Amino acid sequence: QKEVEQNSGPLSVPEGAIASLNCTYSDRGSQSFFWYRQYSGKSPELIMFIYSNGDKEDGRFTAQLNKASQYVSLLIRDSQPSDSATYLCAVGHWATDSWGKLQFGAGTQVVVTP
Amino acid sequence: DVKVTQSSRYLVKRTGEKVFLECVQDMDHENMFWYRQDPGLGLRLIYFSYDVKMKEKGDIPEGYSVSREKKERFSLILESASTNQTSMYLCASSLRTASYEQYFGPGTRLTVT
Repeated sequence: QKEVEQNSGPLSVPEGAIASLNCTYSDRGSQSFFWYRQYSGKSPELIMFIYSNGDKEDGRFTAQLNKASQYVSLLIRDSQPSDSATYLCAVGHWATDSWGKLQFGAGTQVVVTP
Repeated sequence: DVKVTQSSRYLVKRTGEKVFLECVQDMDHENMFWYRQDPGLGLRLIYFSYDVKMKEKGDIPEGYSVSREKKERFSLILESASTNQTSMYLCASSLRTASYEQYFGPGTRLTVT
């Protein structure tokens, strides 16, 4: 069973600080990695994706990928109360028969405190 | 912008009723997915489709069926609703490319009484 693991949290972060979220995956053949943000009662919203080892920055968000260690992380700089949400990690495998399926982690709840 | 819409935001049905949930995407995506999300269980894949009239079972297909007669539309059917199918149902779509990022609809919160 391919697995994606995340700490459930809650991760409490002071406003203005950096939130650091981690995700590990078991399928060494995984090739695409996604971070989704989900507010309570809402659907997941794609915020970042990364395919290559290293860092990818988009505004206050940075995704980091280390395929050798099989982890992907998300940094949220200058955290704001509006960043309070659950963050889902998702992993994809580009096999012919994968049909674009993603494996989702259970999510990490982030709470930004003023 | 990708837009995925779902037919209802909230739905209340009685046990034994046949329930139709509809999903429409406007970005010509080949792949479409149905998930349910329950507290503590995360997102679970019910069914997916990679082309018109093509469907594949996900992790929890029991009690559900799907229909994809047109590329933009993917329907989830609960043949005989039961209380354990009370959940948030999420539809997603993606292109059949190497990227595979999925875009979600707003969700349907279904309550079966």
